[in-house]
Amino acid sequence: GAGVSQSPSNKVTEKGKDVELRCDPISGHTALYWYRQSLGQGLEFLIYFQGNSAPDKSGLPSDRFSAERTGGSVSTLTIQRTQQEDSAVYLCASSSRTSGRYVSYNEQFFGPGTRLTVL
Amino acid sequence: AQSVTQLDSQVPVFEEAPVELRCNYSSSVSVYLFWYVQYPNQGLQLLLKYLSGSTLVKGINGFEAEFNKSQTSFHLRKPSVHISDTAEYFCAVSVAGANNLFFGTGTRLTVIP
Repeated sequence: GAGVSQSPSNKVTEKGKDVELRCDPISGHTALYWYRQSLGQGLEFLIYFQGNSAPDKSGLPSDRFSAERTGGSVSTLTIQRTQQEDSAVYLCASSSRTSGRYVSYNEQFFGPGTRLTVL
Repeated sequence: AQSVTQLDSQVPVFEEAPVELRCNYSSSVSVYLFWYVQYPNQGLQLLLKYLSGSTLVKGINGFEAEFNKSQTSFHLRKPSVHISDTAEYFCAVSVAGANNLFFGTGTRLTVIP
């Protein structure tokens, strides 16, 4: 079956512009995550969606970052007024609904990422 | 707070030689541990995970890792590497009730012919 897909694969933008990054999770997966991978650093958690629950936004670095998930499926990560430090690879992952208390029990399946370059 | 340390940013190794990629974590509560691999131009793929039970965990492609609670480590090993193992390897930790994984900075394994 199809894995997690992300678009665009590459995005070059000018400082100050807004960008939208899209993630299509695996069909049936109710949990969706966004991470950021900066050069020389590990993956940084940004936001988590689970079904119809309020998202966990604790990882968003500033109020310029926002994300939504429509219909419990596709998600869009929006960065407003982009800065050069926003340049990174943005990764999306999805997982099936946890049967217990611990989300981390279920394997997260990652998309190939969107490489964002802010000039 | 949780954190993951991968001390080696790059590890070159000759083909068919053994390799160990080191991972240490910091947490005040019980953890779940993962190793992910990222091949060039691909997404992250789960290699193996430790949730509970046996401390020696076997994963795909001949890799294994051992959870050592006293040393707070989860080192990844393979007895004989192949060229195709060249990739970036990430150690990650999660704790009960957490919504996300905490990743290390990654180790780039380069297998030399």
